[in-house]
Parts: sequence; structure tokens; C-alpha cells
Amino acid sequence: ETVLTQSPGTLSLSPGDRATLSCRASQSIFSDYVAWYQHKSGQAPRLLIAGASHRAGDIPDRFSGSGSGTDFTLTITRLDPEDFAVYYCEQYGNSPTTFGQGTRLDIK
Amino acid sequence: QVQLVQSGSELKKPGASVEVTCKTSGYDFSTYGFTWVRQAPGQGLEWVGWISARSNNTVYAKKFQGRVTMATLPSSNTAYLEIRGLKSDDTAVYYCARDRRIVSGRLVAGYWGQGTLITVSS
Repeated sequence: ETVLTQSPGTLSLSPGDRATLSCRASQSIFSDYVAWYQHKSGQAPRLLIAGASHRAGDIPDRFSGSGSGTDFTLTITRLDPEDFAVYYCEQYGNSPTTFGQGTRLDIK
Repeated sequence: QVQLVQSGSELKKPGASVEVTCKTSGYDFSTYGFTWVRQAPGQGLEWVGWISARSNNTVYAKKFQGRVTMATLPSSNTAYLEIRGLKSDDTAVYYCARDRRIVSGRLVAGYWGQGTLITVSS
């Protein structure tokens, strides 16, 4: 199966900062089918990005995704206090679907 | 709007079975499939499998094959996850998620239920 490795494990930043989260795959992802989710404790995960770079309709444009092949990035510009959460990448191009282990975004 | 409401928390003994339900509203049920994902305490998200609401075709993660069954019932707009032979490490929050089209091609888990805590303990 395709293993996704997210880095860093924890990222400590301040509101207004820019966050860059990485997701590296053990093999190339078919058609760059990579999604990013935001997950807050006690809530359902929230889809942010699909197809590596396409924002879900209700997601602010400070969230952007990029990458192809095996290397993917989620960038959050101008961090808002509500953005501090755990972020997961998911690949759904290769069978079976797999998730990364998550990056925790903490307030510094 | 699209809503997914899951059944409540359950406490089960090792070896027992459990069924989690995911009742939906706000769209044509048979149009989209469902993904099931779990999160054990202190752990990340783990993909359990996927089912088509149109054909009931299923894909299960290898570690769950033979122990998990997914189903849908269009007449009640509900998806189901059954887990048999429960073990303590099945303790987790289980989520259902409905497919969503963000970009052409494959659909992604786009709308999520609130989660169901399954605790397995003697």
C-alpha cells in the first residue's frame, strides 16, 4: 500500500503566520488524487482540498494545495485562530486509500 | 443541505458485534458512495472501506476483510457498518463520509457524520 509521511509532526506558529505542511508518498499517486482534511478534537474531519490543488467550495482561499507525483503541500497563508488543528493528507488514487499520520498545528 | 447523522456510542465486550448507522438527508441517496474511517484514541485517521450506494459494491481495507460488512438501504437513506469479532484495539470513533465531487474524476470523502464512539472492553 501507499505510505504517506507528513512533516513536520507538529508546527508551532502564530496567528497571521504562513504554514507549510508536507505530505510525501512512498510511490506516485495516480492522477494526483490527494486530499487534505482539517480535524479538530470532537468534530468531524473537514475536507479542504481534493485533487491536490482544488479547494472545496466552502473553504477560504487562504488554504491552497500543490504538488504532484509523490510530493504534496498544503499552504495556509495568514493563519486565523480557528485554523489551529490537526491536518491529514489522504491519497485516493492508489488502492487502498491511505492517510498520513497528521500534522498538528499549534498556537505558538 | 447534506446531512449525515450517525448512531450513538456503544460499549461492547470482546468478541461481540456492533452496527453503526449513518442516516442521510438533503440529496438523492443512490447518487453517491460512502467511506468509513476510524480514529483510535490518540491515533490518526484510518480508512476502513468504501461502498457504492448505487450498486452496493464494496472495497475493504485488507486488515478488515472478513470481519467488516458495509451496506446501504436506499429506502431509509441509511448506510451501515457492521464489525464482528470485536477486539480491544477496535476501540475508536467511527466516521461515515459521503462522496463529493470537487474536481472531475474520482470522488472524495466530502461530507462527514459526527462520529460514533465504539468502546470494546470486558
